[in-house]
Amino acid sequence: SQQGEEDPQALSIQEGENATMNCSYKTSINNLQWYRQNSGRGLVHLILIRSNEREKHSGRLRVTLDTSKKSSSLLITASRAADTASYFCATVSNSGNTPLVFGKGTRLSVIA
Amino acid sequence: GAGVSQTPSNKVTEKGKYVELRCDPISGHTALYWYRQSLGQGPEFLIYFQGTGAADDSGLPNDRFFAVRPEGSVSTLKIQRTERGDSAVYLCASSLGGVHTEAFFGQGTRLTVV
Repeated sequence: SQQGEEDPQALSIQEGENATMNCSYKTSINNLQWYRQNSGRGLVHLILIRSNEREKHSGRLRVTLDTSKKSSSLLITASRAADTASYFCATVSNSGNTPLVFGKGTRLSVIA
Repeated sequence: GAGVSQTPSNKVTEKGKYVELRCDPISGHTALYWYRQSLGQGPEFLIYFQGTGAADDSGLPNDRFFAVRPEGSVSTLKIQRTERGDSAVYLCASSLGGVHTEAFFGQGTRLTVV
């Protein structure tokens, strides 16, 4: 089963614009992670935000977490053509040892 | 190696055959995960090892799927009597600690059952 739901499913922007992707989830979490995937193969870890954190930055990436709304957002600023990829959020439950549960992803296309 | 290594990168097999997919995690990582990803979908959890034991195998779809990690390092995912519906990319990941730590993924094995 998939817990996270990314929104939108697909996003197309011009190079230099900002891209915002959202993720909603259902259960109480320990942390939420964002991953990037090129060409349907390996996933690259982007950022991990814990349930007691509200915002994190990494380079051009900014992630927010609102546990009251069970949602997170990933902002990519000043996008580049090389940012074209699928982006997934994945959650780790607060209960037990449940591994990452992924959403279906947002397909981002950055047009040069 | 520096990252998670999966072999083979591609595997084509006939319906009904047996296949083994191998995962070499990052050295020292105690946790290892197998996921399966179909086209246009997110990765779907299959099984999670902590050391040599399967801590959670609730994602294995049926008893045709089995995974081992006998020495707490390399893992093999085994699929018996393959079906066309098993076609997918099988992803392996490892992490230093348990599920609450960052997971590093391999490039996956694309399995095609014809």
